[in-house]
Amino acid sequence: ILNVEQSPQSLHVQEGDSTNFTCSFPSSNFYALHWYRWETAKSPEALFVMTLNGDEKKKGRISATLNTKEGYSYLYIKGSQPEDSATYLCAFTSGGYQKVTFGIGTKLQVIP
Amino acid sequence: DAGVIQSPRHEVTEMGQEVTLRCKPISGHNSLFWYRQTMMRGLELLIYFNNNVPIDDSGMPEDRFSAKMPNASFSTLKIQPSEPRDSAVYFCASSLMGNYEQYFGPGTRLTVT
Repeated sequence: ILNVEQSPQSLHVQEGDSTNFTCSFPSSNFYALHWYRWETAKSPEALFVMTLNGDEKKKGRISATLNTKEGYSYLYIKGSQPEDSATYLCAFTSGGYQKVTFGIGTKLQVIP
Repeated sequence: DAGVIQSPRHEVTEMGQEVTLRCKPISGHNSLFWYRQTMMRGLELLIYFNNNVPIDDSGMPEDRFSAKMPNASFSTLKIQPSEPRDSAVYFCASSLMGNYEQYFGPGTRLTVT
């Protein structure tokens, strides 16, 4: 069983605040690390896929970093907006067959 | 592209009945995944296919669950007989082989009474 842990499980921030969450995963047999954004009553949507140690990805106000040696990734949101409210899922791919293990997610609520 | 298509969107059935969930992946995608979402366990991978071949079904809960992919554009997840604890949202996702990004369907909400 592969453990993918995310923290915190839930988070409330004020509009305009910046925030970040953590995903930890096994550092052995690493293949890829994914971040997904999941709005209530919708389907998960891919934000980033990272494969190399030290990778940094950015999409608008959201960015992510990857450390495969120590087994963690951070997701940052700068200047949170109410539309950022969602559950952010981290997923770890091991081996070469795209087997994906999801974390339980961090539920973000941005208060106007 | 219409994206990943799942049907039905909602299914209510009685315990003991057979349930079949359907998925049409994005055209050209070679990998297809079935997930189950529950409050307790989050998003769980049940089974995935590469080029229509099941690669890993270790996530399938028990023999009551089976999945098939007869061709590149269609897959089914069958539960027979269904039980109340099978109530969950079932997602199908597809991706390009070698491209890790998965595209999720809208999900099927299953309720077994």
